[in-house]
Amino acid sequence: GAVVSQHPSRVICKSGTSVKIECRSLDFQATTMFWYRQFPKKSLMLMATSNEGSKATYEQGVEKDKFLINHASLTLSTLTVTSAHPEDSSFYICSARDGDPQETQYFGPGTRLLVL
Amino acid sequence: GQNIDQPTEMTATEGAIVQINCTYQTSGFNGLFWYQQHAGEAPTFLSYNVLDGLEEKGRFSSFLSRSKGYSYLLLKELQMKDSASYLCAEMDSNYQLIWGAGTKLIIKP
Repeated sequence: GAVVSQHPSRVICKSGTSVKIECRSLDFQATTMFWYRQFPKKSLMLMATSNEGSKATYEQGVEKDKFLINHASLTLSTLTVTSAHPEDSSFYICSARDGDPQETQYFGPGTRLLVL
Repeated sequence: GQNIDQPTEMTATEGAIVQINCTYQTSGFNGLFWYQQHAGEAPTFLSYNVLDGLEEKGRFSSFLSRSKGYSYLLLKELQMKDSASYLCAEMDSNYQLIWGAGTKLIIKP
């Protein structure tokens, strides 16, 4: 299957700082990328959907000024958590899809964020 | 509404067969996905069904009945490494995935 990478895999930061997470599709062009958040023992929560070259669409309740998403190319999307707080600590997972909306989403390995 | 229901936890024995059920309710349907997620890791794709019937892929099979809003994932010849959470996700009319909470599968020797 298609490969999606994420970097970093783990990050610890101080409260008030910003953290950038990268998501790359390694062997296909990802016209659409998704950012999810997952709390322990909970299902995946979609945060936003981004299409290459256009603004991301955020789900209700997700602050777009806090979670900045950039999908600058067909293989790279970034999520920046600005002014991070301890409640932002979570497992952030990206997924990427090639082409048609019915195409399978392939997930990156996830980034575990801990804000102290 | 768009409710995805699947059992919270199941236990099975190594070498046996287990069936994980998933029911969904939606006004629009564009397919049903199953993903496997090991603890602390991201989900990995297992199967996709959009037409009724059984899709077999090695030890794993997935079944769909659109009229009943029902799917199951069948795992044969269970191995200890199959211990994981299995997520059912329905693709709605907007092509968004609606996720179930996952079924934690525990394999015992």
